[in-house]
Amino acid sequence: DGGITQSPKYLFRKEGQNVTLSCEQNLNHDAMYWYRQDPGQGLRLIYYSQIVNDFQKGDIAEGYSVSREKKESFPLTVTSAQKNPTAFYLCASSIQPRTGELFFGEGSRLTVL
Amino acid sequence: GIQVEQSPPDLILQEGANSTLRCNFSDSVNNLQWFHQNPWGQLINLFYIPSGTKQNGRLSATTVATERYSLLYISSSQTTDSGVYFCAVLSNDYKLSFGAGTTVTVRA
Repeated sequence: DGGITQSPKYLFRKEGQNVTLSCEQNLNHDAMYWYRQDPGQGLRLIYYSQIVNDFQKGDIAEGYSVSREKKESFPLTVTSAQKNPTAFYLCASSIQPRTGELFFGEGSRLTVL
Repeated sequence: GIQVEQSPPDLILQEGANSTLRCNFSDSVNNLQWFHQNPWGQLINLFYIPSGTKQNGRLSATTVATERYSLLYISSSQTTDSGVYFCAVLSNDYKLSFGAGTTVTVRA
C-alpha cells in the first residue's frame, strides 16, 4: 500500500536524551514536512524539505534537526535543547511543494519524563 | 506568515443537523485543504480546494479565494462526524499554515 509510515507511534524518553522519529513515504513525493501538535492546538511547522539534500526551517525549528538523504525518508531528531518536547508529531508529504495536496502519517506521540 | 482563523471554535450538534464551518485567511494562497482529525490523532484529507466548490457525500466545501475564505458544510450529521476539523493554507513560501480548528461534537 502507498502511504506515509511514522515510527514509533508512542515513545517515552528521559529528559536530556535525544530522540529520532522516523518518517518514510513510498508515494514518490518530492516534498516532506514535520509538524508538531500540542493538546487542543493546531499544527505548527517544524521543518520542511522540497527536494533531497535540502531542507528549511519552519516556524518552530529550535531544538530540532532533520536530514533528507533519500527521497523516501525524512527523520526528525528532537534534541535535548528542545525545552518542551512532549507533543504529538506528524509527518506529511506532497507530490510537489508549490501547490501539492498534503498527506499525513499517523503520528508519533512523544512523552518526556 | 499567513494568518488562518477558524470559526466557531466549538460546535455541538444533534444527529441529523446541518452545519457550516468557516475558515478565513489573511493573504492569497496556492492551495487550501480541509482535514478531519479523528480521536486517534490521524488527519484525514477531506478536500483539496484552492477555489470553487466540491462535494463528497454529506460533506461539501466552497473556497472564494478572492475574498479569502472557505466554508465546509456538513449535512445530516452523524456521530462519526465528531472530531476536530482543520483548515490549512499553502502560502507562496511553500509552508502549510493551520487554523486552530473547530471541535465538532455530534450527539445521538
